[in-house]
Amino acid sequence: EVQLVETGGGLIQPGGSLRLSCAASGFAVSSNYMSWVRQAPGKGLEWVSVIYTGGSTYYAESVKGRFTISRDNSNNTVYLHMNSLRAEDTAVYYCARSAGREVFFDYWGQGTLVTVSS
Amino acid sequence: DIVMTQSPDSLAVSLGERATINCKSSQSVLYSSNNKNYLAWYQQKPGQPPKLLIYWASTRESGVPDRFSGSGSGTDFTLTISSLQAEDVAVYYCQHYYNIPLTFGGGTKVEIK
Repeated sequence: EVQLVETGGGLIQPGGSLRLSCAASGFAVSSNYMSWVRQAPGKGLEWVSVIYTGGSTYYAESVKGRFTISRDNSNNTVYLHMNSLRAEDTAVYYCARSAGREVFFDYWGQGTLVTVSS
Repeated sequence: DIVMTQSPDSLAVSLGERATINCKSSQSVLYSSNNKNYLAWYQQKPGQPPKLLIYWASTRESGVPDRFSGSGSGTDFTLTISSLQAEDVAVYYCQHYYNIPLTFGGGTKVEIK
């Protein structure tokens, strides 16, 4: 059974850093495109970043230069390293898997809440 | 960036009646080399992550009831719930995957009238 479990969220001051983790089971993260999608409180969905099977990474303009996506194949985990956090980064962050070579999402985690506030 | 615009923002439909949600992209998401529309639909219930309903604009994900259907091509797409059930109360999102950055529509909230 495919499962994605996000951890690492919490309350962080503006300008701070945080690392989110997405532990996968039931498949290998190295064999699928993996993304982070966020949702601000009461708002819609915003794609954040993707890592392809070959290791290429892409980012939304809103986080480029501040966020880094990576994966650890041995731990079957995907990470989102977030630096220079802003209030507008406050959101539930979801980890999501793409089934094939196209970036739509067939499995999602339950999400982890990141709150950026002083 | 491709902008996805959904309409309406919300709709209330009687149980057993049809619900229709529209999604328009600012440029075509039809890839000419394979004649596929790079468009997906998701359902999100309160407190839950989104759930994939439809991809390639009209292919239903495994396990999704057949009352959900997707149609359209190019820039104009529709998600139809043929006979609304109580469990279909949710927010529905379209998403293009034609290129990076991926973008979602703003969502359509479906309620029972």
